[in-house]
Amino acid sequence: EAQVTQNPRYLITVTGKKLTVTCSQNMNHEYMSWYRQDPGLGLRQIYYSMNVEVTDKGDVPEGYKVSRKEKRNFPLILESPSPNQTSLYFCASRLRGQTYEQYFGPGTRLTVT
Amino acid sequence: GNSVTQMEGPVTLSEEAFLTINCTYTATGYPSLFWYVQYPGEGLQLLLKATKADDKGSNKGFEATYRKETTSFHLEKGSVQVSDSAVYFCADSGGSQGNLIFGKGTKLSVKP
Repeated sequence: EAQVTQNPRYLITVTGKKLTVTCSQNMNHEYMSWYRQDPGLGLRQIYYSMNVEVTDKGDVPEGYKVSRKEKRNFPLILESPSPNQTSLYFCASRLRGQTYEQYFGPGTRLTVT
Repeated sequence: GNSVTQMEGPVTLSEEAFLTINCTYTATGYPSLFWYVQYPGEGLQLLLKATKADDKGSNKGFEATYRKETTSFHLEKGSVQVSDSAVYFCADSGGSQGNLIFGKGTKLSVKP
């Protein structure tokens, strides 16, 4: 089954404790992206990657890191999480080209206390 | 920068009512346009799309037409069901390198 998977689905952590949210897709998509969803703000892009070893900042990259060492994986790293990073996070992927639909993962709900 | 504006919710309708959710975009050129739907507790999934002017996207009884002259892509459905209750996002591919720009979402609640 074609899908984007994220782990963990739920995470509660404390300020400053490094964490990684994994994202994997099995569709051989070149493009992958991370978003955060907050009430009243909709979806905001954090980082995206057009292909292996190619990453770029989105609209809200501060406090986040990403890497793209393999085509299927695009982990999101929070080196020192803070409470303002409490949010619902989505990973997405698509084929390269703006007409293609994006496939979204199920989301990771992160709470930073 | 480019933006997508959609009507604010929440929208509450009775079953079998007519639905319109307005969406306008500012991107120049000919971006692709999308409607995504997010059911409670789930990720977003594509509802329909249109890739050029005057195209009509349709799926599950929903329709939207790419109107270049009014830079709009309004979502419509003739008769909503309780199962259509969800958050609907309009998006265009007008971001850098084809990144999607999303509207803020419209929450729809359909009552029996």
